[in-house]
Amino acid sequence: QSVVTQPPSVSGTPGQRITISCSGSSSNIGSSYVFWYQQLPETAPKLLIYRDNQRPSGVPGRFSGSKSATSASLVISGLRSEDEGDYYCAVWDHSLVVRLFGGGTKLTVL
Amino acid sequence: QVQLQESGPGLVKPSQTLSLTCTVSGDAIGRGDFYWSWIRQHPGKGLEWIGYVYHNGNTYYNPSLKSRLTISIDIFKNYFSLELISVTAADTAVYYCARDNGDYNPYFDYWGQGTLVTVSS
Repeated sequence: QSVVTQPPSVSGTPGQRITISCSGSSSNIGSSYVFWYQQLPETAPKLLIYRDNQRPSGVPGRFSGSKSATSASLVISGLRSEDEGDYYCAVWDHSLVVRLFGGGTKLTVL
Repeated sequence: QVQLQESGPGLVKPSQTLSLTCTVSGDAIGRGDFYWSWIRQHPGKGLEWIGYVYHNGNTYYNPSLKSRLTISIDIFKNYFSLELISVTAADTAVYYCARDNGDYNPYFDYWGQGTLVTVSS
């Protein structure tokens, strides 16, 4: 059971807006930046969002991140079929003194 | 363009040592601007951060692996390495190396393609 929890799966139709949640505690999300990674099928993870809500160069504006208290969210607007894959949140945990990944959320585009 | 490439045996016997190397191109790891991390993914599962090394050899390891782990760096050959001793089937995973923006945050901006290591007799 992950310390940082994500829903195992979410789905949406093309063009739709979906949200992936990441829930933690005061020792991680509540006191550290959250990062999001996208892993498309059979590929390495790719940085999608850093420091809660910053997009690296090349990441489309359809992807956005936010955080409130001990939860974070990744929003994908204008969903596309090529967005199908796994999404992971990641954070530093001050109590466990380790970088943690959430369990991952599988996004299916119907 | 920064590129990372993992290399090493794809099959390791139980109780033996898993050794992998990550060769970096497009960035000089000796500059000290970044840290260099290993991350693994068990088959069909999520991601687990293993540890990092800095250009001066300083390391920080996941506490769950610390007793079995060594990460080292060769700034002249521009690669860093992982050694995990006394492996079991639970160490079977895809191992990724990544450029790490350091401090405490899990901020990995470039990744290798990953290499599958199977622990089996």
